[in-house]
Amino acid sequence: AQKVTQAQTEISVVEKEDVTLDCVYETRDTTYYLFWYKQPPSGELVFLIRRNSFDEQNEISGRYSWNFQKSTSSFNFTITASQVVDSAVYFCALSEGGADGLTFGKGTHLIIQP
Amino acid sequence: KAGVTQTPRYLIKTRGQQVTLSCSPISGHRSVSWYQQTPGQGLQFLFEYFSETQRNKGNFPGRFSGRQFSNSRSEMNVSTLELGDSALYLCASSSSSTDNEQFFGPGTRLTVL
Repeated sequence: AQKVTQAQTEISVVEKEDVTLDCVYETRDTTYYLFWYKQPPSGELVFLIRRNSFDEQNEISGRYSWNFQKSTSSFNFTITASQVVDSAVYFCALSEGGADGLTFGKGTHLIIQP
Repeated sequence: KAGVTQTPRYLIKTRGQQVTLSCSPISGHRSVSWYQQTPGQGLQFLFEYFSETQRNKGNFPGRFSGRQFSNSRSEMNVSTLELGDSALYLCASSSSSTDNEQFFGPGTRLTVL
C-alpha cells in the first residue's frame, strides 16, 4: 500500500532562514507521481510541483527547490530565504499512476517569524 | 480562467440529515476528485469522476456518494450524517486523471451538530 510520511509536524524559523521540509514515501509501483501542495490559512490547496518516478532531476523555482531521491524514497522541499508569506501547511502527496487518488502526508505546519 | 468553485462554502447540519455539496471544475477539465480533510485523519481521497463515471474510490462507507454531470460539474452526497463527518471537503479538478496536476477549490466546511 502507498504511504507518505512527513515526520515534521511543525517547524518554526525566523524570516530569511532556509528551511527544508522532509517527505518520505512508500510504494510498490515503478510508475508513480509525487506532489507538493501548500495550504494557507484560507484552506485552499495550492499546487507547487509534480514529479514522476522517472525524473530524478532536482527542480528549482525561485526560492523553492525540490530534491527527489529514489534511493531513499524521499522528495524533500527547501525554501531559501524564507518569508512570512511562506507560512502555511505544506503537504507532500503520492499517486500511483492515477489509481486511488492522491495519498497525502499529514502535513508540516511551517511558521515563519518576522 | 476561473478556478475550481465549490458551493456552499459553509454548512451546518444535524445528525441524521443528508447533505449535497457541489463542485465546478476548471473549464476544460474532465476529472473531478473529492477529498475529506479532518484534524485527525488528514486529507483522505473519497472518489474521482471522469466523463460522468466514477473511476476511483477511496475507503469510505456507502453513505458517501457522488456523481458527475455532462458539463463535468460534480456533486457529492452524504446521507445519515454523523458527528465524525464534520470536515473540510475539497474538490479538485484535472485535465485527465489524478496523476496530473490537480487544482483544488476553496472547500466546503461542513459542521455536523
